[in-house]
Amino acid sequence: AQKVTQAQTEISVVEKEDVTLDCVYETRDTTYYLFWYKQPPSGELVFLIRRNSFDEQNEISGRYSWNFQKSTSSFNFTITASQVVDSAVYFCALSEWSQGNLIFGKGTKLSVKP
Amino acid sequence: DGGITQSPKYLFRKEGQNVTLSCEQNLNHDAMYWYRQDPGQGLRLIYYSQIVNDFQKGDIAEGYSVSREKKESFPLTVTSAQKNPTAFYLCASSIRPGTDTQYFGPGTRLTVL
Repeated sequence: AQKVTQAQTEISVVEKEDVTLDCVYETRDTTYYLFWYKQPPSGELVFLIRRNSFDEQNEISGRYSWNFQKSTSSFNFTITASQVVDSAVYFCALSEWSQGNLIFGKGTKLSVKP
Repeated sequence: DGGITQSPKYLFRKEGQNVTLSCEQNLNHDAMYWYRQDPGQGLRLIYYSQIVNDFQKGDIAEGYSVSREKKESFPLTVTSAQKNPTAFYLCASSIRPGTDTQYFGPGTRLTVL
């Protein structure tokens, strides 16, 4: 069965600290996609990244980076030099090729304090 | 500007009343989705539509209904049969159904009084 686990319910850091949000997934498919979304207090989900199961190369986008490891079924998200504007709930999600629907983790609430 | 709009942002209804949430997109996407979010929870799929005049039940379709008469529009009706309708409702769309990236609207917060 497909499942996404975000074990960290809430994280609080001080501005400029680095922070890593964990995501562990379960799937029987060999072809699947992983996503990260950001949900600021306004409520709208903002797409951050989509990664397919055949591409394990890590990705960096500005202060954001993602570490995909199939061996541990993890797709972790790191924010470097965090800022107050990074405060939000972050969701990891999985979409299997055979199913197509998006399965979300329960989210990690990140609070960045000045 | 291209995007997804949902209206209204806040909605209050009395118990026993049906209410319809609007979702419109001008991205020319084929697929559209409705999700429900409860406090401290991830998103759960209510209904999705891969193409006009077609829609499928998601994980929690009971008490909800949808229509897809136009490509741009995918309204969700919360019926009186939905036992606990107070929640945050998010609409999304993607270019194609399946594993394409889903883009979300701003959401509608429904409160049943």
